[in-house]
Amino acid sequence: AQKVTQAQTEISVVEKEDVTLDCVYETRDTTYYLFWYKQPPSGELVFLIRRNSFDEQNEISGRYSWNFQKSTSSFNFTITASQVVDSAVYFCALATLPGTASKLTFGTGTRLQVTL
Amino acid sequence: KAGVTQTPRYLIKTRGQQVTLSCSPISGHRSVSWYQQTPGQGLQFLFEYFSETQRNKGNFPGRFSGRQFSNSRSEMNVSTLELGDSALYLCASSLYLATISSGNTIYFGEGSWLTVV
Repeated sequence: AQKVTQAQTEISVVEKEDVTLDCVYETRDTTYYLFWYKQPPSGELVFLIRRNSFDEQNEISGRYSWNFQKSTSSFNFTITASQVVDSAVYFCALATLPGTASKLTFGTGTRLQVTL
Repeated sequence: KAGVTQTPRYLIKTRGQQVTLSCSPISGHRSVSWYQQTPGQGLQFLFEYFSETQRNKGNFPGRFSGRQFSNSRSEMNVSTLELGDSALYLCASSLYLATISSGNTIYFGEGSWLTVV
């Protein structure tokens, strides 16, 4: 069975601070995909990134960066110079073969509050 | 282009009633999946449809059902509503069956907020 753990329930930072959201996953499969989604108050889940189990390269997209470490089964997400618009709930998710990317196992989410 | 559209956005139902939620995928998308989000259970996969056929199903009782039409629009139905069915129901669409070996990106709608009283 798959499991995704986001131990941080809620994080509060002041604007311009850097913040890291942790994600630890469990799976026995060797082929899997990891995702991060952002959920603003409107409810929509916004896709941020997808990473497969064979690609451990870290990725940077603007102020966002992701650190994937298979050795510790972690896929952490860092926001640099946070902004108020980053306030949302962030979900880490896992999908394994056989299966479809639509059958995601989500973590419980981390609520990020960025204040001025 | 228009995103995933879900209707209604908010609704209140009474225990024992049934409810139908609708989802219009992004134009051209053929795969639609549904998720339930509750404070206690988090985000849970309900089912996925592709070409009018259910391709995947989560661990929900038979009271939860869905279907997909030839234009890829999808509906989900919950019969004999229980208080615990109060949740945000999210629909997502993708171009093809979202096999994880593909480069498919899954787009979510804003959801339908269901309150059962």
